[in-house]
Amino acid sequence: DAMVIQNPRYQVTQFGKPVTLSCSQTLNHNVMYWYQQKSSQAPKLLFHYYDKDFNNEADTPDNFQSRRPNTSFCFLDIRSPGLGDAAMYLCATSGGNYNQPQHFGDGTRLSIL
Amino acid sequence: AQKITQTQPGMFVQEKEAVTLDCTYDTSDPSYGLFWYKQPSSGEMIFLIYQGSYDQQNATEGRYSLNFQKARKSANLVISASQLGDSAMYFCAMREGTEGAQKLVFGQGTRLTINP
Repeated sequence: DAMVIQNPRYQVTQFGKPVTLSCSQTLNHNVMYWYQQKSSQAPKLLFHYYDKDFNNEADTPDNFQSRRPNTSFCFLDIRSPGLGDAAMYLCATSGGNYNQPQHFGDGTRLSIL
Repeated sequence: AQKITQTQPGMFVQEKEAVTLDCTYDTSDPSYGLFWYKQPSSGEMIFLIYQGSYDQQNATEGRYSLNFQKARKSANLVISASQLGDSAMYFCAMREGTEGAQKLVFGQGTRLTINP
């Protein structure tokens, strides 16, 4: 089945130690999104790639970066994680048809020690 | 101003009863789409149903239907014959326009608990 896969499912890192979360898709969708979701809150869009074009949300901290080396893969890099960055990180994809839903991965739950 | 408002932080329903989850939205764009997602405690976001602003009929998908009242700017989710597995967080989300990436704005969610 075509899908969106996030690795790892759970990630623990130390305060200030860089961490990378990965997302891959077999849907061949041209748009990939990264969301941050803190406990009991709505998902918040951090940025998205439309093909190779990177689009950052205005309030996304500089600490968060992303890379998309090819259509299938997208990475979320947190350069110096703080305690406030502990959250669920959701990757999603969408194709060119605007009335089709975004497809989400299962998420990576990030803990900061 | 909130673009998507879900006024029910939590709801408790008896198994097999129908349940309505409220969602109101605010937009000046004539072209928009409304989505409902289910998020179980395991964390994945599961797409349930979609309603486009120009759709003439209310969307239905199995036990899910969307009560779309455009003039009132509401898009309530109706779940018929609720099941224990329906217990989850439910999010209403809106996409504005049809150009570019399909950016979604989410409501704060409603936590639904189905009691046996």
